[in-house]
Amino acid sequence: DQQVKQNSPSLSVQEGRISILNCDYTNSMFDYFLWYKKYPAEGPTFLISISSIKDKNEDGRFTVFLNKSAKHLSLHIVPSQPGDSAVYFCAASSFNKFYFGSGTKLNVKP
Amino acid sequence: GAGVSQSPSNKVTEKGKDVELRCDPISGHTALYWYRQRLGQGLEFLIYFQGNSAPDKSGLPSDRFSAERTGESVSTLTIQRTQQEDSAVYLCASSIYRVSGELFFGEGSRLTVL
Repeated sequence: DQQVKQNSPSLSVQEGRISILNCDYTNSMFDYFLWYKKYPAEGPTFLISISSIKDKNEDGRFTVFLNKSAKHLSLHIVPSQPGDSAVYFCAASSFNKFYFGSGTKLNVKP
Repeated sequence: GAGVSQSPSNKVTEKGKDVELRCDPISGHTALYWYRQRLGQGLEFLIYFQGNSAPDKSGLPSDRFSAERTGESVSTLTIQRTQQEDSAVYLCASSIYRVSGELFFGEGSRLTVL
């Protein structure tokens, strides 16, 4: 039973526009949420995170939103750049155990 | 090096053989994780080590899989009698044990079972 779900396997966006990646979770005990970015043949790299006590965290072009009532989080990238093209994984943690979604492949077209 | 190091980066083996994958975590990181990513799929949790506590083995898919960690250093993941469905990228990650700690991943070991 997958506790973290990313229902969109892929997303294509024009350079300069906003990319919105979505993630849903089922476990209300998760205390921390993270986004990772993965390029081919590399390990995932940490991008941005949010504590369960917050609803927004911003870092440059990247903003993560958390809606606890809906058990939903999203990653906004504005403006999108071709170098952002990668697979994005959503993750949630509880007691230092991390659960990952299946990933969304983002393609930013020049 | 400063990052998580995994070896081998690529391993091709025949069905039925045993394989051993190695992970060197970041120095000072007490937590170590193994994940598996099959082609086109997400990250599947395998096992979690935290300091000297008993490991969380709840993600190991069968008794052919085992892992060890010596203290807070190197970990090895062993797959016995490999099967074709074991083909995947095996990712190791380490972290500082705290609520807001993020995982730092290695580049993975790609296993191909023929």
